[in-house]
Amino acid sequence: DAGVIQSPRHEVTEMGQEVTLRCKPISGHNSLFWYRQTMMRGLELLIYFNNNVPIDDSGMPEDRFSAKMPNASFSTLKIQPSEPRDSAVYFCASREGKNSPLHFGNGTRLTVT
Amino acid sequence: SQKIEQNSEALNIQEGKTATLTCNYTNYSPAYLQWYRQDPGRGPVFLLLIRENEKEKRKERLKVTFDTTLKQSLFHITASQPADSATYLCALDMDSNYQLIWGAGTKLIIKP
Repeated sequence: DAGVIQSPRHEVTEMGQEVTLRCKPISGHNSLFWYRQTMMRGLELLIYFNNNVPIDDSGMPEDRFSAKMPNASFSTLKIQPSEPRDSAVYFCASREGKNSPLHFGNGTRLTVT
Repeated sequence: SQKIEQNSEALNIQEGKTATLTCNYTNYSPAYLQWYRQDPGRGPVFLLLIRENEKEKRKERLKVTFDTTLKQSLFHITASQPADSATYLCALDMDSNYQLIWGAGTKLIIKP
């Protein structure tokens, strides 16, 4: 199994531009999570899906952030417009079911200048 | 709300010694507690899971304990090696939903 696959690994963009982060979870996993990690705030949950349905998006910072999961094998996190304070590492993770371990991708390092 | 505390400062341990990391939480006990390892530039990797009715769990050189009275979990690495150097995160799994509550992590440095 290739694990959770995220793309791109690095993204540098200018303030105001749209950014789209992509994630392919592990096949058979029914929950998908988007996290943001910074030195100051650690791992923050942005949103999670169960069976492709968004369950809790209370961690999404603002309306500038949106996430979709059109099918069981693909999810996107979009930031529009991006701002310098959005600079962080964004992780996608999936799990097989409740109480099972999370499997993380290697993240997308986003830099907004 | 539930909070987790891990050693905020880096832990420096001599190679061959046992490293012990602490995870303390407030309020009610989780159904499960998980430990992860994170290397620079990588996502966290799952290591061990312990249930609330388990006192101890072992995997090779790793041992996790769970004390619901003290509201604490300890993570031990015996015969530590420089390759064990990483940041270790604990996460509470409350069993009420699909979320985990994460600690900030402890950076472990094993010196040769």
